[in-house]
This record gives sequence, structure tokens and C-alpha cells, in this order.
Amino acid sequence: NAGVTQTPKFRVLKTGQSMTLLCAQDMNHEYMYWYRQDPGMGLRLIHYSVGEGTTAKGEVPDGYNVSRLKKQNFLLGLESAAPSQTSVYFCASSNSRIYGYTFGSGTRLTVV
Amino acid sequence: AQTVTQSQPEMSVQEAETVTLSCTYDTSESDYYLFWYKQPPSRQMILVIRQEAYKQQNATENRFSVNFQKAAKSFSLKISDSQLGDAAMYFCAYRRRNNNDMRFGAGTRLTVKP
Repeated sequence: NAGVTQTPKFRVLKTGQSMTLLCAQDMNHEYMYWYRQDPGMGLRLIHYSVGEGTTAKGEVPDGYNVSRLKKQNFLLGLESAAPSQTSVYFCASSNSRIYGYTFGSGTRLTVV
Repeated sequence: AQTVTQSQPEMSVQEAETVTLSCTYDTSESDYYLFWYKQPPSRQMILVIRQEAYKQQNATENRFSVNFQKAAKSFSLKISDSQLGDAAMYFCAYRRRNNNDMRFGAGTRLTVKP
């Protein structure tokens, strides 16, 4: 009964470093999403995927890349981290566009 | 572009009382979905209630209900008999039908006073 699992939960990066956030879901959902949450701005969509092997840009895609090689996994990469990418990152999944999402517990990323 | 506005950054309510959180949205679409999510200090996003725009009847889930005014593009959340566990950030969200981009408001922080 795991739902959506995000790893890691916390991370501190130095400017220019790279990292990958992993999202895994065990509900056989087709759709997966990466959001970032910043104070006073709610959640904003970075990238999303409508199925294995597909990805698309959301509202704030710059500086991020994603991959969905397996249906259950959705990876978010930062190639060269910047302080502006300090945020809480949420992964979510759904099996239909008409329903709400199931969210992971988030990753707090700090770029110094 | 669709935008979601939550005009109340913070709200407080006495335990057992009723509180209403406001949300307005901007869209030219007629077929869409609206959501309220709760985010407690644990950071987990929890779906509270969902409304389909083509349904006139307001959605209810136990102590949570909405007042959906389509013409006014308003979607408020009413919490009855407030409990200490209701304290959280509440986000209003909008998604157009057959679209993958769910848009969120900035959130309202609800405090429940014992």
C-alpha cells in the first residue's frame, strides 16, 4: 500500500552539481507528474508523462529533464543546480484525467 | 491561461465552528474539474473534495462541502464542526478536461483554535 514514493526526502546541493529525484508508484497509473512548491505560489507543473516512454513540458520546465523508461518510475533530473531551484518537489500520479492525483510526500531540495 | 486565486493567505477558526475558504478561477472553458487539497505539516497532499463543472450539485464529503458558482467562477470550501486535525494548508486546483496541467492556487493556511 505504498502509493507514490519519492527519494530522497531531503537533499542539499552545491550550485552546479547535478542530481536525480526518483518517483515510484505501485498503482499502475498511466499519468505521472513533477511539481515544485514555492511559498506563496502553490504548486507548479514542471514536466509530466502520459505513459511509458513519453514526457512533456509543463509550466516551468527550464533547468529540468525527465525520463520515464518504466511505467512505474518517473525521474526528475537537475543537470546544473541553481539556487533558484531550491524548493519542495512533489511527484504525483493518476490513472485518469478526471480524477485527482495521488501525491508523494515530497523532496525538500536546497541549493547553496 | 487558467489561473486560480485564493485571496485568503491565512484563516483561523474555533474548534467546532464552521469556516469557509475562498477560491476563484479564470477560464474560458466550460468543461473542467475543481479540487481542494489539504497539506498538513507532514507535507503530504491529500485530496479533500472534487467537483465536476457540468454537475450543478455541490460536492460534499462528510464535514467538507463546496459552494460551486460556475457563472461567478467561484469554488469555496466549507468546513463544518472544525477539528484540530483540520489545521493545514488548503489548495484549490483547476484542471481542464482532457488536459494534464492542473493549476493550483497559492494556498490558505488554516489554524484551528482549541
